[in-house]
Amino acid sequence: KAGVTQTPRYLIKTRGQQVTLSCSPISGHRSVSWYQQTPGQGLQFLFEYFSETQRNKGNFPGRFSGRQFSNSRSEMNVSTLELGDSALYLCASSPDRITYEQYFGPGTRLTVT
Amino acid sequence: GNSVTQMEGPVTLSEEAFLTINCTYTATGYPSLFWYVQYPGEGLQLLLKATKADDKGSNKGFEATYRKETTSFHLEKGSVQVSDSAVYFCALSDIGGSTLGRLYFGRGTQLTVWP
Repeated sequence: KAGVTQTPRYLIKTRGQQVTLSCSPISGHRSVSWYQQTPGQGLQFLFEYFSETQRNKGNFPGRFSGRQFSNSRSEMNVSTLELGDSALYLCASSPDRITYEQYFGPGTRLTVT
Repeated sequence: GNSVTQMEGPVTLSEEAFLTINCTYTATGYPSLFWYVQYPGEGLQLLLKATKADDKGSNKGFEATYRKETTSFHLEKGSVQVSDSAVYFCALSDIGGSTLGRLYFGRGTQLTVWP
């Protein structure tokens, strides 16, 4: 089975712009979670989607949003980018909301200048 | 609430040395516990897991035992290799209510193994 894929792998944006990141989960997985990883804050949970609905949300401003499609693929969007949004954004998938472990993609490295 | 505390390191060892990375947790429910590993430039890989008290997770020579009485899940390996150099994250998943679908991570421990 193919693993979790994320596109693009690297992205450079300017402050004030918006960005959309994409995640394709492992085939058959229906839950997709997003995390932000920075040296200062570590791994922080953004949100989780299951059956096209956001089920759980971390403590991030409304500039961070996401969605999930009927094929379980997910996108996250960050509007009005700030320098502090520079991070590695990781997507993880899980078969359902009962299976505990999550499987991660390689991440998208976002740099905001 | 839920939280994970792990020794942040960095940890530097010689090849074939014994490794311990400490991890303790706080959870409101009955968590499952995990160790993930991150190699440079990559995402997180699940290394091992334990879903209930006294379970021992093991993989690639690494082991960790779920100790409910001490709320700990320490990672150990008897003989490390240069290829084990990476960042190791302890994490928990708690199936209670609003915490479904998310993992709580420690800050990570950088391990460097010298030949």
